[in-house]
Amino acid sequence: AQSVAQPEDQVNVAEGNPLTVKCTYSVSGNPYLFWYVQYPNRGLQFLLKYITGDNLVKGSYGFEAEFNKSQTSFHLKKPSALVSDSALYFCAVRDAWGDYGQNFVFGPGTRLSVLP
Amino acid sequence: DTAVSQTPKYLVTQMGNDKSIKCEQNLGHDTMYWYKQDSKKFLKIMFSYNNKELIINETVPNRFSPKSPDKAHLNLHINSLELGDSAVYFCASSPRGDTYGYTFGSGTRLTVV
Repeated sequence: AQSVAQPEDQVNVAEGNPLTVKCTYSVSGNPYLFWYVQYPNRGLQFLLKYITGDNLVKGSYGFEAEFNKSQTSFHLKKPSALVSDSALYFCAVRDAWGDYGQNFVFGPGTRLSVLP
Repeated sequence: DTAVSQTPKYLVTQMGNDKSIKCEQNLGHDTMYWYKQDSKKFLKIMFSYNNKELIINETVPNRFSPKSPDKAHLNLHINSLELGDSAVYFCASSPRGDTYGYTFGSGTRLTVV
């Protein structure tokens, strides 16, 4: 079965500093990996995805993620954090899929706090 | 606005009651889903529907039943509510194809007292 781990419950970073939110995965076959962000009292928003191709994927709001097959990781990064980036971040891997749709397995989430 | 919308946003009810949460998407997506987010923010899929057909039904109590009157709607009915049902329930949708992510609704916070 597919699984996703986010080893840090909480990440604190000062505004303007680079940030990294870690994700490791376990899949059978090729991994389809996603990052979502959840702001307080809001639904999840899609940030970026890795399907194939370049290991460095660029997404919304200046975020990017690096796919590392040998380390089975898909860490989320941003060169310069903003206070408004403070939110809950979920890494996800596509589990089952077909012509009917797809099922994702989400990691437990990492709370990012960017301090002014 | 194109979106996935859920109603109500908040729902407080007593144990044993029956309640429904509505979800509508105007994105033209083919598949809709219900996810449950518990107090620890862990997300777990409950159901997915495509063209009115239930595709994935995880080990969810049969007190929960999805109902889809048409492609744009997937409502969640819950019978005989229990304290453990308290959570945030998210509706989501996705288009056909294997490389798309979800579009999520803003969630319904259900509190059973």
